[in-house]
Amino acid sequence: AQTVTQSQPEMSVQEAETVTLSCTYDTSESNYYLFWYKQPPSRQMILVIRQEAYKQQNATENRFSVNFQKAAKSFSLKISDSQLGDTAMYFCAFMGPIQGAQKLVFGQGTRLTINP
Amino acid sequence: GAVVSQHPSRVICKSGTSVKIECRSLDFQATTMFWYRQFPKQSLMLMATSNEGSKATYEQGVEKDKFLINHASLTLSTLTVTSAHPEDSSFYICSVKRGVGTEAFFGQGTRLTVV
Repeated sequence: AQTVTQSQPEMSVQEAETVTLSCTYDTSESNYYLFWYKQPPSRQMILVIRQEAYKQQNATENRFSVNFQKAAKSFSLKISDSQLGDTAMYFCAFMGPIQGAQKLVFGQGTRLTINP
Repeated sequence: GAVVSQHPSRVICKSGTSVKIECRSLDFQATTMFWYRQFPKQSLMLMATSNEGSKATYEQGVEKDKFLINHASLTLSTLTVTSAHPEDSSFYICSVKRGVGTEAFFGQGTRLTVV
């Protein structure tokens, strides 16, 4: 079974700083998808960024980018120019084989606080 | 706008009663929906995969007789917590996917409190 590990339970940075959240996963699959989701205090899950395992190029979405290392099974999220609105729980997630049910497996989460 | 609507957002029920939570896909037809449970300050735990027109697939350790799932149409799945007890108090979230490899869209969640 796939597992996702986020080793940083909590992180805190100053506004405008850059922060990197770590995520590692374990799978025997070669094709899969990786996601970072954000859960603000409202508890609404919001997609931050998505990466296909077969793509070598790291995904980017404005201030958010990933460092995808397939051989190391690592998928970190970098937030540049952090903003107060980035304060939230961040979950790394793995989506299983393409032919399967495609359920998401989540990491434990990292609580990120952006301080003014 | 919202892609998934989950109702109710909060519910308080007495121990021993049943509670139904609805999850509607507003933007597209969903043959598969997912139900998650989230304890305070913890991650989302997949409970079951809801399949339109067939039985739900439950994850190991989830009691299917306690958590009844009905996916009667391509836009609606319901989760019924039967004979609820205080330990069933939690945050329940549903999600839907448009297709293979695509992102999951989540409902707003339901906070269930059993007293």
